[in-house]
Amino acid sequence: TQLLEQSPQFLSIQEGENLTVYCNSSSVFSSLQWYRQEPGEGPVLLVTVVTGGEVKKLKRLTFQFGDARKDSSLHITAAQPGDTGLYLCGIEYGNKLVFGAGTILRVKS
Amino acid sequence: NAGVTQTPKFQVLKTGQSMTLQCAQDMNHEYMSWYRQDPGMGLRLIHYSVGAGITDQGEVPNGYNVSRSTTEDFPLRLLSAAPSQTSVYFCASSLNPQVGYTFGSGTRLTVV
Repeated sequence: TQLLEQSPQFLSIQEGENLTVYCNSSSVFSSLQWYRQEPGEGPVLLVTVVTGGEVKKLKRLTFQFGDARKDSSLHITAAQPGDTGLYLCGIEYGNKLVFGAGTILRVKS
Repeated sequence: NAGVTQTPKFQVLKTGQSMTLQCAQDMNHEYMSWYRQDPGMGLRLIHYSVGAGITDQGEVPNGYNVSRSTTEDFPLRLLSAAPSQTSVYFCASSLNPQVGYTFGSGTRLTVV
């Protein structure tokens, strides 16, 4: 059983559309991390959310941590082809980083 | 500041051969990890370390060995390569695992 469930698994949208990616668990976490991975590269940390209900913004990306600290979402406004990549959520679990399976996002121009 | 450096970037091995994937970081991070990434399987943890001299197994440790003699280096050894070990391998390091990790750019390994 996966500790983190991400949805959707795959998303293909047109440039300019909005989208939301979800990361859910039945467990409570002290923090949650979001990464983006471009083809041929390693994951890059986008943001870490720590407080229940916290909202963080990174340009067109909005990250939210659920009030109960069991889930998180990533919303992209007016997606651009440069947003294409694999989006991963991860949590610290026993001194190691555990990932969800990821959401592959493809933004077509 | 180079971050996390992995070598080689590409490698082809024959079944049964052994090799070492190198990982070095210059950020004085205590925590280091190795992952493998396969299509449809996400990133799976192989081994990790919380400091020099301390290592532990992750989700998929079989067929791999690690050691951590210094803070900077965390090599991953394949003892007897098998086609099932064909994958992309990533090394990562962190000052605080609750805050986030820095990843290397990966080693693409093919075992024939």
